[in-house]
Amino acid sequence: EAQVTQNPRYLITVTGKKLTVTCSQNMNHEYMSWYRQDPGLGLRQIYYSMNVEVTDKGDVPEGYKVSRKEKRNFPLILESPSPNQTSLYFCASRLDGTPGYEQYFGPGTRLTVT
Amino acid sequence: KQEVTQIPAALSVPEGENLVLNCSFTDSAIYNLQWFRQDPGKGLTSLLLIQSSQREQTSGRLNASLDKSSGRSTLYIAASQPGDSATYLCAVHAGNNRKLIWGLGTSLAVNP
Repeated sequence: EAQVTQNPRYLITVTGKKLTVTCSQNMNHEYMSWYRQDPGLGLRQIYYSMNVEVTDKGDVPEGYKVSRKEKRNFPLILESPSPNQTSLYFCASRLDGTPGYEQYFGPGTRLTVT
Repeated sequence: KQEVTQIPAALSVPEGENLVLNCSFTDSAIYNLQWFRQDPGKGLTSLLLIQSSQREQTSGRLNASLDKSSGRSTLYIAASQPGDSATYLCAVHAGNNRKLIWGLGTSLAVNP
């Protein structure tokens, strides 16, 4: 089954404790991205990757890091989480960087930083 | 700057009604428009993708239309069911951006 998976699905952590949210897709997609979703602000892109070893900032990259060492994986790293990073996070992928393709989303990761 | 607006923010209807959800965008230079469904605690599911050259797309009881010149798209849901209750989001690919520009969604409740 074609899918995007994320882990963990729920995470409660404390300020400053480094964490990683994993994302993996099995569709051989080149393009992957991370979003956060907040009430009243909608979905905002954090980072995106056009292909292996190619990443770029989205609209709200501050406080986040990503890496793309393999095509299928695109982890999101919070080196020093803060309460304002409490949010619902989604990983997404599509075939490649051109806009014409359908975007697939993971189930989301609910992060709470206390 | 492209902006996407969805009205109404929330909608409650009795089961069986046909309904229309609206999405408007400010810049008509789009590549495509995509409608998504989001269920509480779950991810986003793509419903329909309309390319800029298309006027509509259909999938089952869903029909999405696109009018680029007026900057509007509608999602028509026929014979609504309680299982249709969810938040519906629209998003556009605009210009040379490789990212989607999102609306805030319409929260739909279909009452038995």
